[in-house]
Amino acid sequence: IAGITQAPTSQILAAGRRMTLRCTQDMRHNAMYWYRQDLGLGLRLIHYSNTAGTTGKGEVPDGYSVSRANTDDFPLTLASAVPSQTSVYFCASSAGRTSSNEQFFGPGTRLTVL
Amino acid sequence: GQNIDQPTEMTATEGAIVQINCTYQTSGFNGLFWYQQHAGEAPTFLSYNVLDGLEEKGRFSSFLSRSKGYSYLLLKELQMKDSASYLCAVIDSNYQLIWGAGTKLIIKP
Repeated sequence: IAGITQAPTSQILAAGRRMTLRCTQDMRHNAMYWYRQDLGLGLRLIHYSNTAGTTGKGEVPDGYSVSRANTDDFPLTLASAVPSQTSVYFCASSAGRTSSNEQFFGPGTRLTVL
Repeated sequence: GQNIDQPTEMTATEGAIVQINCTYQTSGFNGLFWYQQHAGEAPTFLSYNVLDGLEEKGRFSSFLSRSKGYSYLLLKELQMKDSASYLCAVIDSNYQLIWGAGTKLIIKP
């Protein structure tokens, strides 16, 4: 693995189904993030984690949950998908959550909820 | 509320220079990033400014004025591969990154 990976690349999901988006980084970064990106809107933070074992809510956390059992993995779960969760989801990581630490992004997961 | 403003779309000619502006109103300021995002791809880091002034990196430069809540990204000697969206993002007082909606730059031959 080089950098940050996400799976699946894309998914079509029936409303009401449970779905977990996977994210793995091999850079030993402390901080990880989940964003959604919708047309005409900026990236919006869903959840974040400053370090393994801790998580926090971002701007749009409702309907989503995360866990951070170890440094490398940061899965995002939709407990019961709704059509408004159709979006492109990006996972990102940074060395820390302080000012100058740039975020590195995964390739994204394109999710369609019908 | 917190707000980042960028033009939605700009068009420029190959070989020319273009300036993409970003104005922000945020609760505190701890730095500003510019990212590039090609269609269908992930954002990638371009520049970081925390002090006033110009940061130059090859064909790309970024300027910051904290007193004016203003930044710009300057792209010189434009190439077709520079066609992309350019995202401005500000770190607020809680170290959360606030993102603008991005400026889609179209380069014409």
